[in-house]
Amino acid sequence: DAKTTQPPSMDCAEGRAANLPCNHSTISGNEYVYWYRQIHSQGPQYIIHGLKNNETNEMASLIITEDRKSSTLILPHATLRDTAVYYCIVRVLLNAGGTSYGKLTFGQGTILTVHP
Amino acid sequence: DGGITQSPKYLFRKEGQNVTLSCEQNLNHDAMYWYRQDPGQGLRLIYYSQIVNDFQKGDIAEGYSVSREKKESFPLTVTSAQKNPTAFYLCASSIAQFRQETQYFGPGTRLLVL
Repeated sequence: DAKTTQPPSMDCAEGRAANLPCNHSTISGNEYVYWYRQIHSQGPQYIIHGLKNNETNEMASLIITEDRKSSTLILPHATLRDTAVYYCIVRVLLNAGGTSYGKLTFGQGTILTVHP
Repeated sequence: DGGITQSPKYLFRKEGQNVTLSCEQNLNHDAMYWYRQDPGQGLRLIYYSQIVNDFQKGDIAEGYSVSREKKESFPLTVTSAQKNPTAFYLCASSIAQFRQETQYFGPGTRLLVL
């Protein structure tokens, strides 16, 4: 799997934009970048994903650099409920036993704390 | 109300006992997965299934078993061979495995050994 590197923690003021960086310098051409978040003791929640173009949905924006070696997740107006661990994942398509499967490898993520 | 359900939320296991964690989805997803999460760590893949009656080992399958008799259900059994079963177990599903489909997660089951 392409390894991702994220800062262990970040702070953000409520109402401000939260910009979470991720490095994935060994990413291959067919590997997508996914972002999930996990609020304490809950299952991970899907946020957004992309290949090479910038993406936006109702939750966030994803900015991927032209060389695809890094990306930034942007929460445009952070709220207290956005406090969570944010995972940047490169999803790899693998082959095993004659079949292919996609694998998500979750690292340690970034603990985002949104404060009043 | 569509989604993935896991039960129970908390489960206690005695030494030498097998326990089964339930995972059900009504999203009509083909693929289902089981992950394990230890405190302060990321998720690790235990087993996955692309289709009914078929499943494959993930990275840490030893001490676990699964079945996929119905599309909606993918129960995980933690056997007595799993020496360190205390963890948070997460089930996920996606439309299919081999493309870039998003995996959606259930709320998790926390397993504790007495």
